[in-house]
Amino acid sequence: DAGVIQSPRHEVTEMGQEVTLRCKPISGHDYLFWYRQTMMRGLELLIYFNNNVPIDDSGMPEDRFSAKMPNASFSTLKIQPSEPRDSAVYFCASSPGQGYDTQYFGPGTRLTVL
Amino acid sequence: SQQGEEDPQALSIQEGENATMNCSYKTSINNLQWYRQNSGRGLVHLILIRSNEREKHSGRLRVTLDTSKKSSSLLITASRAADTASYFCATAFEDSNYQLIWGAGTKLIIKP
Repeated sequence: DAGVIQSPRHEVTEMGQEVTLRCKPISGHDYLFWYRQTMMRGLELLIYFNNNVPIDDSGMPEDRFSAKMPNASFSTLKIQPSEPRDSAVYFCASSPGQGYDTQYFGPGTRLTVL
Repeated sequence: SQQGEEDPQALSIQEGENATMNCSYKTSINNLQWYRQNSGRGLVHLILIRSNEREKHSGRLRVTLDTSKKSSSLLITASRAADTASYFCATAFEDSNYQLIWGAGTKLIIKP
């Protein structure tokens, strides 16, 4: 299996622009997680899905952030409009069974908002 | 506040020495997991230890869990330069609604 795939790997954009991050989980995994990692705040869970349904989005920082999972093999995290403080590495992870079992991480998207 | 907190924040040792990192948590857990993150990469799962287990091994890695002290340790024996990375513990505590709560990590540097 190719593992969790994320695109793009790097994104540089200007404040106010829309940013869309993409994730393809490992086939057969029922859980998908979106995380954000910064030096100041560490690794933060933004939202997670179970069988394509959003279960907990309490970590989404603001209404500017939205996430979707239209099918079992694709998810997006959108930031509109983007702000410099959104600069971070965004990770997608998937898990095969219970949400608190082993998580498999993608390589991350490094987002820079100027 | 964070459920899992690693100690030390940073550790620098000579190649070949053993490295020990600790993780403390606050509430009862279902399991505790250790992950490694190389610079610029995603996190990689190392070991999962369940609340009814006390010790697990995987190659040069040894994890212990002391639920009475609410702490875990990760021991890397005979360290190598390739072990240079950040190490995170993540706890899945009861009633966590399937969330892993992550510590801030220990940055390990292995000097050749």
